[in-house]
Amino acid sequence: LAKTTQPISMDSYEGQEVNITCSHNNIATNDYITWYQQFPSQGPRFIIQGYKTKVTNEVASLFIPADRKSSTLSLPRVSLSDTAVYYCLVGDERYRANNLFFGTGTRLTVIP
Amino acid sequence: NAGVTQTPKFQVLKTGQSMTLQCAQDMNHEYMSWYRQDPGMGLRLIHYSVGAGITDQGEVPNGYNVSRSTTEDFPLRLLSAAPSQTSVYFCASNRGGGDTGELFFGEGSRLTVL
Repeated sequence: LAKTTQPISMDSYEGQEVNITCSHNNIATNDYITWYQQFPSQGPRFIIQGYKTKVTNEVASLFIPADRKSSTLSLPRVSLSDTAVYYCLVGDERYRANNLFFGTGTRLTVIP
Repeated sequence: NAGVTQTPKFQVLKTGQSMTLQCAQDMNHEYMSWYRQDPGMGLRLIHYSVGAGITDQGEVPNGYNVSRSTTEDFPLRLLSAAPSQTSVYFCASNRGGGDTGELFFGEGSRLTVL
């Protein structure tokens, strides 16, 4: 069960790009890296997933170096509505046992 | 599609009482799971199921029971509620085979045990 380390909190001004880095030194060969977003009083929501290099979707980008021991979630031009907790998870390709370690996540606060 | 539906959204219990948190999904997902979330502790896995009739323990299973008689439903039973079980409970489901393995969460059930 690969655990992850993230900063506890981050602040950013509206319109800036935010990069949240996650450390996962014990990542296994079959593990994927997935990021979730959670707003207060809601369940987490999937943002992006990747295995190596770079993945981009309409919401975010995910950068994964060659050694895969860390990853960086990039949120372009954040707005107030991006204020949330962001979780980095590492798990095997099919999440068979649902053994995913959520950790405490990174609380992002976007300032006007 | 409703996705993952949890009931009730709020519940107050007295110590020693029992209750069941309901979870239903309409996405035909094989895998379902229950998490609890306490302040400052992220989400911790209680129990999970990889298909009807199959369940297993997660990180914090004590004091909870589950069963999976159908693909759609995965109820969580508190046998004898304790104040330490005061928490927000989330049910999740995922397809469980290839694809991204994306977890779909319910809105949560906030439980207070007095």
